[in-house]
Amino acid sequence: DVKVTQSSRYLVKRTGEKVFLECVQDMDHENMFWYRQDPGLGLRLIYFSYDVKMKEKGDIPEGYSVSREKKERFSLILESASTNQTSMYLCASVFGTGTEAFFGQGTRLTVV
Amino acid sequence: GQNIDQPTEMTATEGAIVQINCTYQTSGFNGLFWYQQHAGEAPTFLSYNVLDGLEEKGRFSSFLSRSKGYSYLLLKELQMKDSASYLCAVRDMGNSGYALNFGKGTSLLVTP
Repeated sequence: DVKVTQSSRYLVKRTGEKVFLECVQDMDHENMFWYRQDPGLGLRLIYFSYDVKMKEKGDIPEGYSVSREKKERFSLILESASTNQTSMYLCASVFGTGTEAFFGQGTRLTVV
Repeated sequence: GQNIDQPTEMTATEGAIVQINCTYQTSGFNGLFWYQQHAGEAPTFLSYNVLDGLEEKGRFSSFLSRSKGYSYLLLKELQMKDSASYLCAVRDMGNSGYALNFGKGTSLLVTP
């Protein structure tokens, strides 16, 4: 089975802190994604990557950056956390077209 | 971007059949996915349609009409454990690579 693992299930950070959310997949998938999920807004795409060192902005990239130094790892970075970044963050990976996305268990981030 | 619309909430009775509709607008359609998400958990894959017609998988079926930009998820013999959020997602090759773009989800409550 494909396994997508996010480094933390729950995280509490202070406003202005730099925050790293890590995601690792074990199935050699080229494509990886970061979403955030908020009540009433659904899942929204922040960034995605289709190869090592490649990254593309999604629908809501402002305030975020990403890093993909190795194929299995995709990191989401909040340069200076703000309270409006309190959310559930979901990482996903996909092998290619025509296949489903596999999700990590999610990181519930609270910025105080 | 694209519009993906699905009802916000639905209620159905244990043992009954429920149909959750999804309409979408996209320029580079490359597949429609349904996911199930229980509260506090990650989305899990239910079904995938890329050609018109019905795909059946046990108690769950999904239908697609590309010309109408329409899909539905049919759940038969409802069980209490089917109470969850159901997410419709579209893959659009036009602007986000292999990323899935999600509707806001339909919260289904199954009552005794």
